[in-house]
Amino acid sequence: GAVVSQHPSWVICKSGTSVKIECRSLDFQATTMFWYRQFPKQSLMLMATSNEGSKATYEQGVEKDKFLINHASLTLSTLTVTSAHPEDSSFYICSARGGRERDEQFFGPGTRLTVL
Amino acid sequence: GQNIDQPTEMTATEGAIVQINCTYQTSGFNGLFWYQQHAGEAPTFLSYNVLDGLEEKGRFSSFLSRSKGYSYLLLKELQMKDSASYLCAVLDSNYQLIWGAGTKLIIKP
Repeated sequence: GAVVSQHPSWVICKSGTSVKIECRSLDFQATTMFWYRQFPKQSLMLMATSNEGSKATYEQGVEKDKFLINHASLTLSTLTVTSAHPEDSSFYICSARGGRERDEQFFGPGTRLTVL
Repeated sequence: GQNIDQPTEMTATEGAIVQINCTYQTSGFNGLFWYQQHAGEAPTFLSYNVLDGLEEKGRFSSFLSRSKGYSYLLLKELQMKDSASYLCAVLDSNYQLIWGAGTKLIIKP
């Protein structure tokens, strides 16, 4: 099956710093990657959709200057949380679509971000 | 607007059967997914239905009725490890996944 990795698995940082999260499709080319955020006991919230080589499409209410997304290749997308604050603490999950199962999204394991 | 409804929480007994329902209203339909999510982990794929009917996969089965905008996930021979949240998601006409809020399933011995 298709495998998606995320790095780091968890990160703790001070308020005001920037954090970069990587999402990689390991055995397929991801034409589209999605970034989600999930707060405790809540459902997944789509933050943005990115297609390789083009700018990400952000969902309403998501600040694109704060959550920078780069999808430079068919196997790598990065999410940078700039000037992180405690309210940005959340579980960030990426997913990738592509490969033989065109419609299915394959999820990365997630990144737990804690901002002190 | 687009809407996916599923119960917030359900409780069942180990060894029993449980059915988790999902109703949806979306702009277009290109399939319905069920995902399982354990606390603190990312969702994992369970099933995909795009045609009406029942898809069986081991202890888990998923049913779809497109005319009714309805699906259910059926879990048989429940095990303690099945305690998790079950997410229903619909692929709309733009091939965007619309997510339900998830159903937390609690399994009791």
